[in-house]
Amino acid sequence: SQKIEQNSEALNIQEGKTATLTCNYTNYSPAYLQWYRQDPGRGPVFLLLIRENEKEKRKERLKVTFDTTLKQSLFHITASQPADSATYLCAHSWGGGTYKYIFGTGTRLKVLA
Amino acid sequence: DVKVTQSSRYLVKRTGEKVFLECVQDMDHENMFWYRQDPGLGLRLIYFSYDVKMKEKGDIPEGYSVSREKKERFSLILESASTNQTSMYLCASSSGAEGYSPLHFGNGTRLTVT
Repeated sequence: SQKIEQNSEALNIQEGKTATLTCNYTNYSPAYLQWYRQDPGRGPVFLLLIRENEKEKRKERLKVTFDTTLKQSLFHITASQPADSATYLCAHSWGGGTYKYIFGTGTRLKVLA
Repeated sequence: DVKVTQSSRYLVKRTGEKVFLECVQDMDHENMFWYRQDPGLGLRLIYFSYDVKMKEKGDIPEGYSVSREKKERFSLILESASTNQTSMYLCASSSGAEGYSPLHFGNGTRLTVT
């Protein structure tokens, strides 16, 4: 069955360092990968989308990569700040009128001051 | 900015009650979704709708139904609430016919069934 895994449940890093979160998928090839941020008691907020034919996408201090050979997406936050502390979710979708999104269980990032 | 509003942040209901969760979006989005979120299980799709009066089952529709009489409003109904339906319920909307459009979520309704 289609499965997406975020293999770190929690990640602690020092302020100023680069945080790297991993999303792996098995048994299928999604056309799109999305990353969301979720704060406690809030709904997820969309951050970035990357297509299967794109290797990398950037937005300010955020960078996402998509490696279809490794079946993996990496999400980087450079110069991390305590305000970046949150749970980050990856999601796969297929497009073309298919509305199925598969979400990972999330990685809880804590940036230590 | 898209705003997705869920009518209640917290709800406590008794087993067997019929429960209505309401969601309204203000950006004229065609697609609306109901998810539940549980620790360790992530977000699971209950139902989605791609047009008024249209609905499709998601991965876990049992025990739930939905209603979409107007484009902006999507309701989730628990026909007879059970304790295993205690969860965080999240409504989302997205635009366009493409299935990759970003989802815009409400802030959730935390439902407790006792």
